[in-house]
Amino acid sequence: EVQLVQSGAEVKKPGESLKISCKGSGYSFTSYWIGWVRQMPGKGLEWMGIIYPGDSDTRYSPSFQGQVTISADKSISTAYLQWSSLKASDTAMYYCARRGIAGADYWGQGTLVTVSS
Amino acid sequence: EIVMTQSPATLSVSPGERATLSCRASQSVSSNLAWYQQKPGQAPRLLIYGASTRATGIPARFSGSGSGTEFTLTISSLQSEDFAVYYCQQYNNWSEVTFGGGTKVEIK
Repeated sequence: EVQLVQSGAEVKKPGESLKISCKGSGYSFTSYWIGWVRQMPGKGLEWMGIIYPGDSDTRYSPSFQGQVTISADKSISTAYLQWSSLKASDTAMYYCARRGIAGADYWGQGTLVTVSS
Repeated sequence: EIVMTQSPATLSVSPGERATLSCRASQSVSSNLAWYQQKPGQAPRLLIYGASTRATGIPARFSGSGSGTEFTLTISSLQSEDFAVYYCQQYNNWSEVTFGGGTKVEIK
């Protein structure tokens, strides 16, 4: 069974750093792109970027380029999303999702990030 | 950036009725269009990809059509579990994926 399991909820202060994770299982982790999606409270879905764990080829949506870093460790089948300096506006639910044949076919359960002083 | 516009923002439908949701792209995305369903507190679920192909396990009452810039998701006979928010997504270029703003399907 394909699963993407994300790390737990985080509460951080503005200016702090953070790295959240997404662990894949039940499939060849290095053969599928993994994307990250932001959903701000009460709002829609925003695509942040995507990584191919096989060679760490990474593409960022223009809106998120320079704002976050996407990485992966194929040895432990895990993708990451990180911030070097959080802002209150980073408060959101973050999902990882596997790019399938077309579309994102499997999703993680989401990681809620709250940034508040 | 390709802008995806969904209409209506909210659709009020009675159980058993048909629901028709629209999605328009600001430029052609060919058939690189997916639909997702999201229920409160849950991650999105892939319904349709390639504009018209149902994902694994998706009931036949869900159908997608269109190509280029105009797309439609039809739910032929709404069931109670179908009341949710639906998003379209273009993936013409996976570096610049964009979602529509969503359509909330609510009980009339």
